[in-house]
Amino acid sequence: DIQMTQSPASLSASLGETVSIECLASVGISNNLAWYQQKSGKSPQLLIYAGSRLQDGVPSRFSGSGSGTRYSLRISDMQPEDEAVYFCQQSYTYPLTFGSGTKLEIK
Amino acid sequence: EVHLVESGGGLVQPGRSLKLSCAASGFTFSDFYMAWVRQAPKKGLEWVATISTRGTTTYYSDSVRGRFTISRDNAESNLYLQMNSLQSEDTATYYCARHGGDIRFADWGQGTLVTVSS
Repeated sequence: DIQMTQSPASLSASLGETVSIECLASVGISNNLAWYQQKSGKSPQLLIYAGSRLQDGVPSRFSGSGSGTRYSLRISDMQPEDEAVYFCQQSYTYPLTFGSGTKLEIK
Repeated sequence: EVHLVESGGGLVQPGRSLKLSCAASGFTFSDFYMAWVRQAPKKGLEWVATISTRGTTTYYSDSVRGRFTISRDNAESNLYLQMNSLQSEDTATYYCARHGGDIRFADWGQGTLVTVSS
């Protein structure tokens, strides 16, 4: 199974700040990497797929990058509605696996 | 607009069975792979199972293989998860999800809570 190591486990940011979340796959996954946002009490929502493609309707302050085994999610100009837990997921092969999540809070 | 509505969750005793359903609308159900993903209380996401468009191919996580069965009814746009021999570790919110082209989870339902306890 492909292990997805996500960091940090939590972070806090001020409004307007830029933050980054990292995901490390145990083997190369050829940009088959998705990012999800889960707000408190809600179901997850797809933000980014194929490593860097923005899902329809997602604000452009979200961006994804990376290659091989290392990927990152960047949130520019932090907004109050961005407070959530973020998960990465490899879509390269079964079994599909997720990172452990990053809790992002407003400072 | 894609709409996925799960049902069938509840409290069940260890060793018993439960069947979850997911009613899909807003897209051509038979064109997409579908999946179940679960989330234990205060924990992360865990993929459970995926089914191909015609239901001929299924994939399972090691933790549920042999106990859970994913199925679909394309005529009714419904997805199912038959869960047998339930254990306390199966306690979670179960989400129905529509796969995107690269087996990402493009859309999610609101989830249904399954609690396994005596």
